Amino acid sequence: GENVEQHPSTLSVQEGDSAVIKCTYSDSASNYFPWYKQELGKRPQLIIDIRSNVGEKKDQRIAVTLNKTAKHFSLHITETQPEDSAVYFCAAPSWGKFQFGAGTQVVVTP
Amino acid sequence: DVKVTQSSRYLVKRTGEKVFLECVQDMDHENMFWYRQDPGLGLRLIYFSYDVKMKEKGDIPEGYSVSREKKERFSLILESASTNQTSMYLCASSFGRGNYGYTFGSGTRLTVV
Repeated sequence: GENVEQHPSTLSVQEGDSAVIKCTYSDSASNYFPWYKQELGKRPQLIIDIRSNVGEKKDQRIAVTLNKTAKHFSLHITETQPEDSAVYFCAAPSWGKFQFGAGTQVVVTP
Repeated sequence: DVKVTQSSRYLVKRTGEKVFLECVQDMDHENMFWYRQDPGLGLRLIYFSYDVKMKEKGDIPEGYSVSREKKERFSLILESASTNQTSMYLCASSFGRGNYGYTFGSGTRLTVV
């Protein structure tokens, strides 16, 4: 089955700086990688995803990169703002369902 | 907008009680999932279902069962609640298998005393 490792577990950044979260996966057949954001007391919400036929995808201040050879994918947040403070989860598919990383607590300080 | 609705936001139950957590989605998704979320352990899959009447064990099915009698509804059952089942329970649904993201419900915070 799939094994997903996520680092770091916590990340503190100054407002305006960039944040990077990295995930590695084990199943070379995996071909779709979503990222979720969970604000305190709320449900996880899909914020960006990437399919294996592309190496990078951007949506405003967030981007995801994928290295299939090395089996890792990363979330990049640029020009961080206080509303980016949340827990971020990566996921990779395993037999039709997803294995999640353990999550990264991002704290953006003004 | 896809909606996944969990019937209760907070529940407090006694040890040994039978507990039902309900989840309803309104987008005709075939796939539904139950996860529990605990600090430091992330999201762990309890059970999932790819169709009506179908169910599959996830990574931590012990002490739980599920029911899917209708496509839109997926119920999680704690046969005899125990304190170690105190957790946040999240329901999710999706289109496709492993190639589309999940839509999560708001979660049920269950406390077993």
